[in-house]
Amino acid sequence: DTAVSQTPKYLVTQMGNDKSIKCEQNLGHDTMYWYKQDSKKFLKIMFSYNNKELIINETVPNRFSPKSPDKAHLNLHINSLELGDSAVYFCASSQDSGALGNTIYFGEGSWLTVV
Amino acid sequence: AQTVTQSQPEMSVQEAETVTLSCTYDTSENNYYLFWYKQPPSRQMILVIRQEAYKQQNATENRFSVNFQKAAKSFSLKISDSQLGDTAMYFCAFMPYNQGGKLIFGQGTELSVKP
Repeated sequence: DTAVSQTPKYLVTQMGNDKSIKCEQNLGHDTMYWYKQDSKKFLKIMFSYNNKELIINETVPNRFSPKSPDKAHLNLHINSLELGDSAVYFCASSQDSGALGNTIYFGEGSWLTVV
Repeated sequence: AQTVTQSQPEMSVQEAETVTLSCTYDTSENNYYLFWYKQPPSRQMILVIRQEAYKQQNATENRFSVNFQKAAKSFSLKISDSQLGDTAMYFCAFMPYNQGGKLIFGQGTELSVKP
């Protein structure tokens, strides 16, 4: 079983559309994250949630809205997609919210292409 | 602002030889954690090794070891007996203490292991 799974793995969509990426972790972790990897492979945190509560919102446009129905799930909804949103989006999780420096486990990534 | 710098965009090494990847970081904090992640062509982000800043002893994981120089804010990764499967992008990452588990990544070093 994949520890952190996200769907879809590939998504091609038109500008202006709304899309969602789903993420689930079966590790029993309390904290989940969304990271974005751009075309130059630079990785940057977008959001983190601890027990369904938003902890980090890294000045992401409000077209991006994370939702955590429970601590095992963190979905990412994107409204009015723009060309610059094309990237690989990684979901991740960790045991705590970073106080102990616990390892962050990543999903396989969702490759979003906006055309 | 906390930053991580990997000054070697690309490196190559012959199979069975040793290679060292450089990483420096900038922070005013005393407590933090450091990580090396590997991203093979499959895009999966895989933890290679982690280091707690309060530990003077360098972390090792089989063929992977680090040279952690806290005063110099340097965290290099040494790969011994390089294998073809080590071919990947390697990211150095910094996690501040108690900031929600946020990872700050370097730009990455693309390592090619040649037969």
